[in-house]
Amino acid sequence: ETGVTQSPTHLIKTRGQQVTLRCSSQSGHNTVSWYQQALGQGPQFIFQYYREEENGRGNFPPRFSGLQFPNYSSELNVNALELDDSALYLCASSSMDSSYEQYFGPGTRLTVT
Amino acid sequence: GENVEQHPSTLSVQEGDSAVIKCTYSDSASNYFPWYKQELGKRPQLIIDIRSNVGEKKDQRIAVTLNKTAKHFSLHITETQPEDSAVYFCAGSGNTGKLIFGQGTTLQVKP
Repeated sequence: ETGVTQSPTHLIKTRGQQVTLRCSSQSGHNTVSWYQQALGQGPQFIFQYYREEENGRGNFPPRFSGLQFPNYSSELNVNALELDDSALYLCASSSMDSSYEQYFGPGTRLTVT
Repeated sequence: GENVEQHPSTLSVQEGDSAVIKCTYSDSASNYFPWYKQELGKRPQLIIDIRSNVGEKKDQRIAVTLNKTAKHFSLHITETQPEDSAVYFCAGSGNTGKLIFGQGTTLQVKP
């Protein structure tokens, strides 16, 4: 198992609400990437944070936003939730300074009703 | 735009046989190609990766090959075991670290 943790494990929200998901990176890693995985699909890149700055963004609207903290943990915030936001949200920890390998956390299963 | 195509979508083999999964990518700037194994309800697990300066890499029963000219790479699993049953994803990225994933291959190994 990797040292990457995510919370909460599961979450149920209503359309229009806001949600915050959390990720703690593996020791020694300074980069966190967030992915959305719909059922039966491959993960889709949302954005990446490197040393507290956004370092690349996928094709997701501005209501998806994030933060990275000095200890390299990260948050994903989603405003104005839509039904299609229901998915598994995965964070991946890596060290951009030394290698490309990304190690995933267990994910947060978000259900929007 | 960037795209990774993966085939087949499902693969069923007998225990002990080999399994091969193929991916093609569109972005010429891609230089890193990992493979992930995802069991039901679990996180994607990095099983092997290859960089664009290498044509082949092997780790026990799994190997990956890369053809940069044709922009395709493949995962080979030999002597398959029932515990190899899972969904396998290929991915590609450039220096940005943004992973573009394929659609996944469900591998079933029959005892």
